[in-house]
Amino acid sequence: EVHLVESGGELVQPGGSLRLACAASGFTFNNHFMDWVRQAPGRGLEWVGRSRNRDHGYTTQCAASVKGRFTISRDDSKNSVYLQMNSLKIEDTAIYYCARVSGIPGERFFENWGQGTLVTVSS
Amino acid sequence: QSALTQEASVSGTVGQTVTLSCTGNSNNIGRYVVGWYQQISHGTPKTVMFGNSLPSGIPDRFSGSKSGTTASLTISGLQPEDEADYYCSTWDYSLDAGVFGGGTKLTVL
Repeated sequence: EVHLVESGGELVQPGGSLRLACAASGFTFNNHFMDWVRQAPGRGLEWVGRSRNRDHGYTTQCAASVKGRFTISRDDSKNSVYLQMNSLKIEDTAIYYCARVSGIPGERFFENWGQGTLVTVSS
Repeated sequence: QSALTQEASVSGTVGQTVTLSCTGNSNNIGRYVVGWYQQISHGTPKTVMFGNSLPSGIPDRFSGSKSGTTASLTISGLQPEDEADYYCSTWDYSLDAGVFGGGTKLTVL
């Protein structure tokens, strides 16, 4: 059974940094892209970024709203993906989900989701 | 402003058939498969459809389709447990980013 467990969310001051982790199990981690998706209080889902697998050069992509502040990385030996968040803003307050991406090119989708971790940016 | 446009709310009675739509453009829906995600009471999202394929465990009352730059999720024989927020999502070629719709709140009367 696939399990995705996020951790690292907490209260942080504006301008601060935080590193989220997502530990995966139940599937061959290094075969999959892994994405981060967030949901601000009372709002919809927002795509944050993607970590591609070794076959795709471990490349990453981030949404325009976080580009230059957030960085995604992965450690296949630990079956984990990370979200490094710097220069945090109040509007980054959200539940952050990691999601397993499945499918072939042009047909990729989020197959599994973690339970999320809450990041609160406030003074 | 979301890249994909969904109805803010849709309602139906038990047993009815409802269709949720998701409209994009040639850089996203016109180019890639669309996934649909159910979120009950702001809990963890759950995948209910990708393209026109059902994930395991999802009842076949759910079906998906696409025409041009609009994707649709149809739920037939609506059940009380279907009441949730539904989000569509895909990749956007020009943005080189994932995109979501704003979500549709489905109410089962």
